[in-house]
Amino acid sequence: QQQVKQSPQSLIVQKGGISIINCAYENTAFDYFPWYQQFPGKGPALLIAIRPDVSEKKEGRFTISFNKSAKQFSLHIMDSQPGDSATYFCAAALAGTASKLTFGTGTRLQVTL
Amino acid sequence: DAGVIQSPRHEVTEMGQEVTLRCKPISGHDYLFWYRQTMMRGLELLIYFNNNVPIDDSGMPEDRFSAKMPNASFSTLKIQPSEPRDSAVYFCASRPRGLWGQPQHFGDGTRLSIL
Repeated sequence: QQQVKQSPQSLIVQKGGISIINCAYENTAFDYFPWYQQFPGKGPALLIAIRPDVSEKKEGRFTISFNKSAKQFSLHIMDSQPGDSATYFCAAALAGTASKLTFGTGTRLQVTL
Repeated sequence: DAGVIQSPRHEVTEMGQEVTLRCKPISGHDYLFWYRQTMMRGLELLIYFNNNVPIDDSGMPEDRFSAKMPNASFSTLKIQPSEPRDSAVYFCASRPRGLWGQPQHFGDGTRLSIL
């Protein structure tokens, strides 16, 4: 049973544009929603995370928007750069589970010149 | 500060052979996780440890898979006997204590190919 659904599967954005990746979850007990970035040949690395009592969190060019009622959250990458080209995973974890993460299926982002 | 170290980086072996993947977590981290990544199934948690004790192995696909953590600085994931469908990238991750917000730090993975 897939508990975190991610879209789109792939995304092509021009340099300077906004990249938007969406995730939806089913389990209302989730209380930790991180985004991970993965480059080819490397392990995923935490990019930014949010908890459900906050509607938005911004770190530099990266913003998470969270809609608790809709059970959806999204990653926005402003002023996208070629160096942002990577695969992005959303994830969710239950409270008290030591961040036992359930990952989305990933979005492959390509930022073109 | 050294990150999570996995070895080998690549492993190619024939079906039926025993495979052992190794992981050295970040010093001081209390939690260790093993994941498998494939195109079809994405990133799946196989098992995780807290203070060297296995806490949740519900993701281990079958009895051919086993994981151990004999001490705080070393863990192994073993597949015996290996099958072609076990081909994947296997990641180890570690995390410090604390509940919300503590990130998992991933190694660079072991790319396993079973012929």
